[in-house]
Amino acid sequence: DQQVKQNSPSLSVQEGRISILNCDYTNSMFDYFLWYKKYPAEGPTFLISISSIKDKNEDGRFTVFLNKSAKHLSLHIVPSQPGDSAVYFCAAGSGKLTFGQGTILTVHP
Amino acid sequence: DARVTQTPRDKVTEMGQEVTMRCQPILGHNTVFWYRQTMKQGLELLAYFRNRAPLDDSGMPKDRFSAEMPDATLATLKIQPSEPRDSAVYFCASGLWGNEQFFGPGTRLTVL
Repeated sequence: DQQVKQNSPSLSVQEGRISILNCDYTNSMFDYFLWYKKYPAEGPTFLISISSIKDKNEDGRFTVFLNKSAKHLSLHIVPSQPGDSAVYFCAAGSGKLTFGQGTILTVHP
Repeated sequence: DARVTQTPRDKVTEMGQEVTMRCQPILGHNTVFWYRQTMKQGLELLAYFRNRAPLDDSGMPKDRFSAEMPDATLATLKIQPSEPRDSAVYFCASGLWGNEQFFGPGTRLTVL
């Protein structure tokens, strides 16, 4: 029972363009949503979060959008940079977190 | 710069041996989580503690895995006996309940 799903295993984007990573969840009790970035041989690092009372949160080049009616979360990276190439995990919960499978983002110079 | 630390970083062992992984959470964090990352399952939650009390270990195979938090500065995950299917990267994370979690660098376990 996958309560959090990232349906795209990978995404390839040109440097300077927008990267859009998507995430769907099924549990309507989730009230906190996060994105993590993971480089090889390192632990995931927190990127940005949003609570269920908001529909958008921005931090520099990163924006997270939440559509509660669709149970959908997305991360926009603008402009994308080669250093953004990593695995991105979405997570959702209220206390404990449930993670998606991850999306491998590759940003080409 | 507060960080979650984990030891060992890499562990190679033979099937049937006991494995103990250690985690030092960030000082002041009241919640500690253990995750396992595999190619198939992504990040699976194994167990977590709040104020050192175990809240949920339903993600762990009960017969061979155990998680403890003997004090506020140490969390352990033990596998006995280990099996090849336990090969994975194990992450510890800490945080304040309801907020973002901070992950350690992970322990890469290989069971031959």
